[in-house]
Amino acid sequence: QLVLTQSPSASASLGASVKLTCTLSSGHSSYAIAWHQQQPEKGPRYLMKLNSDGSHTKGDGIPDRFSGSSSGAERYLTISSLQSEDEADYYCQTWGTGIQVFGGGTKLTVL
Amino acid sequence: EVQLVESGGGLVQPGRSLRLSCAASGFTFDDYAMHWVRQPPGKGLEWVSGISGNSDKIGYADSVKGRFTISRDNAKNSLYLQMDSLRAEDMAFYYCTKGLFKAYPGGNDYWGQGTLVTVSS
Repeated sequence: QLVLTQSPSASASLGASVKLTCTLSSGHSSYAIAWHQQQPEKGPRYLMKLNSDGSHTKGDGIPDRFSGSSSGAERYLTISSLQSEDEADYYCQTWGTGIQVFGGGTKLTVL
Repeated sequence: EVQLVESGGGLVQPGRSLRLSCAASGFTFDDYAMHWVRQPPGKGLEWVSGISGNSDKIGYADSVKGRFTISRDNAKNSLYLQMDSLRAEDMAFYYCTKGLFKAYPGGNDYWGQGTLVTVSS
């Protein structure tokens, strides 16, 4: 079964970097994912598509501070030089055999 | 500029029906799969249904299979979601989303602003 697992919360200081993790279920380590950001009281926004080899394609207007990487079944979103507006929920998403799947989301707090 | 504008949400009684619409612009509509994703207030995202560019591939989440029907009208650049036999657990913001590429299902790269469906007697 295709499942994505995310930690419920993360925190980091203003100006620092943070690395969020999304883990693909067993047998699905080759799958690409997408990362989405949802700021408080707003709809989601696409950040990037991230492949199993770590290559990624960012959405329109996404700052260079956002980057992606991969290792095995893990997919990462790294945000550097954290700003207050980065405080948001971050969701990973994948797809296969006619369905899409979302992770439970990580709530990022910028201290 | 890609724009997705949902409409049709509102308050509906359990067991009744509602039809959501999504007007798309800024891209070649029939070149992309489209999806509906929902989010109960305060909770996470859940994929609901998707449809390929020429409607030959359609998928539903188990939670809505047999009750919801997705469709599209490429001549009108519009996506629809017919929701029947609504339940309290269907209450959520419903987002229209554009597929990442032609292949179905793929991921999503643009989101509408969402429309709220409230199911209550």
